[in-house]
Amino acid sequence: QKEVEQNSGPLSVPEGAIASLNCTYSDRVSQSFFWYRQYSGKSPELIMSIYSNGDKEDGRFTAQLNKASQYVSLLIRDSQPSDSATYLCAVISGGYNKLIFGAGTRLAVHP
Amino acid sequence: EPEVTQTPSHQVTQMGQEVILRCVPISNHLYFYWYRQILGQKVEFLVSFYNNEISEKSEIFDDQFSVERPDGSNFTLKIRSTKLEDSAMYFCASSEQGLAGIKDTQYFGPGTRLTVL
Repeated sequence: QKEVEQNSGPLSVPEGAIASLNCTYSDRVSQSFFWYRQYSGKSPELIMSIYSNGDKEDGRFTAQLNKASQYVSLLIRDSQPSDSATYLCAVISGGYNKLIFGAGTRLAVHP
Repeated sequence: EPEVTQTPSHQVTQMGQEVILRCVPISNHLYFYWYRQILGQKVEFLVSFYNNEISEKSEIFDDQFSVERPDGSNFTLKIRSTKLEDSAMYFCASSEQGLAGIKDTQYFGPGTRLTVL
């Protein structure tokens, strides 16, 4: 069974701090990795995709991928209260593009 | 910006009734998906659809479920005889290519909240 694991949180950070969200996955042949943000009662919204080992930056967000350790992370710099949401890690492992989601980490950014 | 749309936003039905959830994927996308999320739980894959055929389905997607692309724009999920445990948010998603190993992204619609009484 292919699994994606995340710490459920809540992760509480002060406004302006760096939030660090982590994810591990079980299938070694996983090829594509995504971070989605989900506000309560809303649909997942794509933040970042990453396909190669290393870092990928987009504005205040940096995704990091380490395939050897089967580990993906998301850093949010200068966290804002509007970043408070659940962050979902999702992985595609071969075949057709079935996304396997983690349970999500709830982030709370307090003023 | 193009987006996936879904109707209705909320559907209430009695156990045993049939429901049809509707989605309009992004117009140039070729792969379509349904996911569900039971309250407080993970987003779970149900089915993927390409070229008028199911590409892959999960064990959740049993004989009570079916999908259809009745015309050039809509993509529907039918549940024939709803159960209490079908109560969930149902998300439609679409992607441009849908092939593993190719950089492709799934975009989600706003969801339909299904409540089975």
